[in-house]
Amino acid sequence: DGGITQSPKYLFRKEGQNVTLSCEQNLNHDAMYWYRQDPGQGLRLIYYSQIVNDFQKGDIAEGYSVSREKKESFPLTVTSAQKNPTAFYLCASSMTSGSGEQFFGPGTRLTVL
Amino acid sequence: GENVEQHPSTLSVQEGDSAVIKCTYSDSASNYFPWYKQELGKRPQLIIDIRSNVGEKKDQRIAVTLNKTAKHFSLHITETQPEDSAVYFCAATPHNTNAGKSTFGDGTTLTVKP
Repeated sequence: DGGITQSPKYLFRKEGQNVTLSCEQNLNHDAMYWYRQDPGQGLRLIYYSQIVNDFQKGDIAEGYSVSREKKESFPLTVTSAQKNPTAFYLCASSMTSGSGEQFFGPGTRLTVL
Repeated sequence: GENVEQHPSTLSVQEGDSAVIKCTYSDSASNYFPWYKQELGKRPQLIIDIRSNVGEKKDQRIAVTLNKTAKHFSLHITETQPEDSAVYFCAATPHNTNAGKSTFGDGTTLTVKP
């Protein structure tokens, strides 16, 4: 299960606060992704990055922001503009040379109080 | 963009029976179809995948079939065991996205009763 890590495992936030979720990988993968998982729903893509210093919006980017300053790191900030942020957040990475397996982190469960 | 539908949303089988989960996709440009298994409280992990130049792939008790004409692919699990109980996700990836941006189905919760 090693290779891609997320922290913290659980996170509590008050309404109106921004919070940043960490994602680190040592797989030397160029591509990284952030997904949101809600009960009974699949994995919805928030943002993805194909290469350092570049990223694109996914299907549900509103209220989120990311950065990709290093190949190994792809932090996600959940801003106060996200109306319903309570969810399970999964980070993943993959090689960029064509489509292939995504490796997932253990996830961060965010709860807004 | 791509749209993936997965059925059924829940599936309950007796140990030893077979289980079949089906996904349909909309984008004919999709060429990579992975299946992930997510056990309770754990991360999704790839269990099998298939590319559009292949019609079927098998790995022990797990197989995946692909019908490009009908745009659907299915996961088959034979001789199910209680440890197969999990949520299964399918995904489709268009070949013109070199970052492997996949669209996932909503998942199927499989319960294998001993």
